Amino acid sequence: AQSVTQPDARVTVSEGASLQLRCKYSYSGTPYLFWYVQYQRQGLQLLLKYYSGDPVVQGVNGFEAEFSKSDSSFHLRKASVHWSDSAVYFCAASMVSQGGRALIFGTGTTVSVSP
Amino acid sequence: DPKIIQKPKYLVAVTGSEKILICEQYLGHNAMYWYRQSAKKPLEFMFSYSYQKLMDNQTASSRFQPQSSKKNHLDLQITALKPDDSATYFCASSQDVLGGREQYFGPGTRLTVL
Repeated sequence: AQSVTQPDARVTVSEGASLQLRCKYSYSGTPYLFWYVQYQRQGLQLLLKYYSGDPVVQGVNGFEAEFSKSDSSFHLRKASVHWSDSAVYFCAASMVSQGGRALIFGTGTTVSVSP
Repeated sequence: DPKIIQKPKYLVAVTGSEKILICEQYLGHNAMYWYRQSAKKPLEFMFSYSYQKLMDNQTASSRFQPQSSKKNHLDLQITALKPDDSATYFCASSQDVLGGREQYFGPGTRLTVL
């Protein structure tokens, strides 16, 4: 079955430090890939998406992600975090073979940025 | 101005009752979706609609029934409520149902079933 795995439930980083959040998907083809962020008690906001082409995609607020077909991964990065980046980050995929409509989410990574 | 409105924000219900969760989007989108986020499971896809027609249904129970009275409305009726239905329900929309379209999410309705 298709799935999305985020192995890190919680990450703590210092303000100004770099951040990498890991995401791996399980799917025989190439899925559509997304990263969303959920601030406390709010809905999800799209950070970036990948469909094809350049494996490094840029998103909002300085986030970028890199797709690796060989590794079935789509890791999220930010060079320098701010306290306002504290939130829960979700990796999601939709499967081309199923019409690409249903997003399959990972369990999320809670990021805490310390001063 | 909020582009996707979900009402109510919080909802408390008793076991066995019925509730309707409201979703309206003002993005001009043609596709709408419902997702559920509970303490026990990650965000789960429930339904997708395109031009008011059901495209996908991944809920195992017929107690969950989407209702679309207008193109920009997709309500969710839940009958015979159970404590396990306690979750935050998110509505989302996209331009259309072409694969990989960006989905935009509403703020959610947090449902508690006692």
